[in-house]
Amino acid sequence: DAGITQSPRHKVTETGTPVTLRCHQTENHRYMYWYRQDPGHGLRLIHYSYGVKDTDKGEVSDGYSVSRSKTEDFLLTLESATSSQTSVYFCAIRSRGTVGNEQFFGPGTRLTVL
Amino acid sequence: TQLLEQSPQFLSIQEGENLTVYCNSSSVFSSLQWYRQEPGEGPVLLVTVVTGGEVKKLKRLTFQFGDARKDSSLHITAAQPGDTGLYLCAGAIGSGNTGKLIFGQGTTLQVKP
Repeated sequence: DAGITQSPRHKVTETGTPVTLRCHQTENHRYMYWYRQDPGHGLRLIHYSYGVKDTDKGEVSDGYSVSRSKTEDFLLTLESATSSQTSVYFCAIRSRGTVGNEQFFGPGTRLTVL
Repeated sequence: TQLLEQSPQFLSIQEGENLTVYCNSSSVFSSLQWYRQEPGEGPVLLVTVVTGGEVKKLKRLTFQFGDARKDSSLHITAAQPGDTGLYLCAGAIGSGNTGKLIFGQGTTLQVKP
């Protein structure tokens, strides 16, 4: 257990509304990641962070923004949700001292955009 | 664009059978991870392979990293219903120390009793 929680765990929203998902970790990990998981696509990286206020884009970043104002929290925001953003979102951390970029995942947030 | 092709995408077998899942790419990876995911949960790390040709065993699961570090396989011996789940491979990409991973599409395994 890497001490990762995600909130909310489930959310239903309407097209055009803003949505913020939260990832919280308790072990002071530097690297944090946001992924989305869709059938047939595995997990795809949205954004990642390598420290407080240090973030960068992943392969599917359009329509998403992130913020990291403190080490323990990494927020993912959908400024204006669209139906194509219906997905399961996972947060992950990279454990310190690991060889090979091992990541540990939170329980996920299921988002439905109507 | 770097891709990881995972096959097969679906596998339904009887308890006691053996199976192999493949993960292939044209790119070289510095390391490769295998994860297992159950419904409603996040992926859980099974193993990391780093060296070309490396073989690791985890009980009835055998993981191999290709000599050129472009491919990997997961072999399960005498599968059990408890092995049912989604298996994902992931390769480390990018320059520097970003820790970014690229994932295969996943293999859904169903083991029938």
